[in-house]
Amino acid sequence: KAGVTQTPRYLIKTRGQQVTLSCSPISGHRSVSWYQQTPGQGLQFLFEYFSETQRNKGNFPGRFSGRQFSNSRSEMNVSTLELGDSALYLCASSRGRGDSPLHFGNGTRLTVT
Amino acid sequence: AQSVTQLDSQVPVFEEAPVELRCNYSSSVSVYLFWYVQYPNQGLQLLLKYLSGSTLVESINGFEAEFNKSQTSFHLRKPSVHISDTAEYFCAVTGGGSYIPTFGRGTSLIVHP
Repeated sequence: KAGVTQTPRYLIKTRGQQVTLSCSPISGHRSVSWYQQTPGQGLQFLFEYFSETQRNKGNFPGRFSGRQFSNSRSEMNVSTLELGDSALYLCASSRGRGDSPLHFGNGTRLTVT
Repeated sequence: AQSVTQLDSQVPVFEEAPVELRCNYSSSVSVYLFWYVQYPNQGLQLLLKYLSGSTLVESINGFEAEFNKSQTSFHLRKPSVHISDTAEYFCAVTGGGSYIPTFGRGTSLIVHP
C-alpha cells in the first residue's frame, strides 16, 4: 500500500510570492490534515479536509488555504509569503475518526527568503 | 479543549540503558492515545496506540506505553535503547468530542554510544 506522498520535498520562495503544496493520501483515506512544524512552535494544526469539505481549521491567517479533490488528493496554498512561513509542512491522511491514527508524508520544506 | 504535556524537551541516555518519555493529557473523558516518532528529514510515524482494552500497549521495536486513567498519563518506555532510537517522539490525544489529535511539543531522545 503506497504511503502519503507530498510534493515537492523542498521549495525556496521569496517574500510576497505564493506557493502551492500537494498531498496524495493513502488509498481509501478520506481525511487529509495539514500541519506546520517549526523548531519554536512545534506541530501546529492548519486544517483538515474530509470528502472535499473543510471540517476543521486551526488558528492561522487567511493567507493559508487548502482544498481537497474528489480523489481525496489535497493542496495547500500560502499567499503573500512571509519570512515566518519558513517551516516543514506535513500532510497526514486517515479514516477521519478519533481512533484513526494519522499517516504522515515526509513533508515539504519551505524556505522563504 | 485537550492539552498534552511532554515534560521533557530532551532526554539524553546511553545505549542499552532504559528510558522513559513522559506524557500527560488534560481530559479525563474517553480518549484515544498515540505515540509517534519522527526521524530526521522524515514525517511522523505511528509507534503505538491505545484505543481500549489492556492498558499496556507495545510496539514492534520494543517500546511500550501504559495508559493510566487516574493520572491521565501515557508514558513511553523502553528497557534498552539503541543508537537508532535517536529521534523526536510525540504524544497525541484524540477524544472528548474531537477527532483532531492534540500533539505534545515533542521529546528529543538522544542515545549516546
